[in-house]
Amino acid sequence: DIVMTQTPLSSPVTLGQPASISCRSSQSLVHSDGDTYLSWLHQRPGQPPRLLIYKISNRFSGVPDRFSGSGAGTDFTLKISRVEAEDVGVYYCMQATQFPRTFGQGTKVEIK
Amino acid sequence: QVQLVEFGGGVVQPGRSLRLSCAASGFTFSNHGMHWVRQAPGKGLEWVAVIWYDGSNKYSADSVKGRFTISRDNSKNTLYLQMNSLRAEDTAVYYCAREADAGPDAFDIWGQGTMVTVSS
Repeated sequence: DIVMTQTPLSSPVTLGQPASISCRSSQSLVHSDGDTYLSWLHQRPGQPPRLLIYKISNRFSGVPDRFSGSGAGTDFTLKISRVEAEDVGVYYCMQATQFPRTFGQGTKVEIK
Repeated sequence: QVQLVEFGGGVVQPGRSLRLSCAASGFTFSNHGMHWVRQAPGKGLEWVAVIWYDGSNKYSADSVKGRFTISRDNSKNTLYLQMNSLRAEDTAVYYCAREADAGPDAFDIWGQGTMVTVSS
């Protein structure tokens, strides 16, 4: 199975400041079809996850442009350019290149 | 509107069975692969199983293989998860999620989840 490792596991941030989360996979996420299936999800307390980013860097419909994804191969990053209060919660990366699908452990973003 | 609603959670004794349902509305259910994802209390997300849009293929996590079965009825716009031989470690909120056309990593619609508690 592909192991997804996120850092940091906790990220206290100041409103209006940037935040960055790293996700590393135990093997390359490049699929045989040439695409890389790495997504980012956000989960607020008591809520289901919601999709932010798919295929490394594609923002899902309705996701603010302060969220951006980058990376390649085994190393990926989610960046929030200016954190807002509604961005608190846990962020997960997920790979869909191989079965079983696997998630990172989650990174908790909270306001300082 | 586009939504998924899970049913069937509850408290069950170890070794017993439970069937979860996920009712889809607002979109063409038969066009999409569907997943079950679970989250133990205070823990992260764990993928459970997937079924192709037409039911032709299924995959499941090793932790549930041989015990859980995913299925769907496209005529009823409903996804199922039959859970047998339940264990304490299966205690979790179970979410169904839609796989978007955008790609296999785009779980774009999620239900609110249904809680399953396995306890004697």
